[in-house]
Amino acid sequence: AQSVTQLDSHVSVSEGTPVLLRCNYSSSYSPSLFWYVQHPNKGLQLLLKYTSAATLVKGINGFEAEFKKSETSFHLTKPSAHMSDAAEYFCVVRVSGTTDSWGKLQFGAGTQVVVTP
Amino acid sequence: DARVTQTPRHKVTEMGQEVTMRCQPILGHNTVFWYRQTMMQGLELLAYFRNRAPLDDSGMPKDRFSAEMPDATLATLKIQPSEPRDSAVYFCASGLVGFEAFFGQGTRLTVV
Repeated sequence: AQSVTQLDSHVSVSEGTPVLLRCNYSSSYSPSLFWYVQHPNKGLQLLLKYTSAATLVKGINGFEAEFKKSETSFHLTKPSAHMSDAAEYFCVVRVSGTTDSWGKLQFGAGTQVVVTP
Repeated sequence: DARVTQTPRHKVTEMGQEVTMRCQPILGHNTVFWYRQTMMQGLELLAYFRNRAPLDDSGMPKDRFSAEMPDATLATLKIQPSEPRDSAVYFCASGLVGFEAFFGQGTRLTVV
């Protein structure tokens, strides 16, 4: 079965320092993977997606993620954190169903990012 | 700017009452999802539709929850009767096959 595991429930960084959010996936074939961000009391916004093209994926707001098949990882990074990056981040995998080859989205537990001045 | 619209944004109701949440997907999107978010369970998929037909509603308590798409511009999620444990934020999302999903702002439901 396809799933994602976010390795950190909370990450605290200082403004201007790098951010690393870790995500491992489980899939029997090449998955479609996404990172979404949720700011307090807001909906979810897509940061970036991997769909078997380039393994290094660039997203919005300076975020990028690298798909590593050998490590079954899809970690999210940003070189320099900004106060506005404080939010919850979700790693997501598309799960194929028995009747639906495109499938549904399975969310990780989320990583809460705190940015300190 | 195309977006998924959910109404109401907030709902407070008494236990036992019927609750209906509505979602207007992005025009042209053929897949609609309903998710529920709680502190304890995170984001759970309740149901999803493709071309208005339900594909998977295994995440939904069948005895009290129902989801429908009366037409391509409207998806509804109904709870009858509501219970305090249904208190959560309910998100609707829409997308095209093979692409990402776009989420609405959510309906925050409180059942007292």
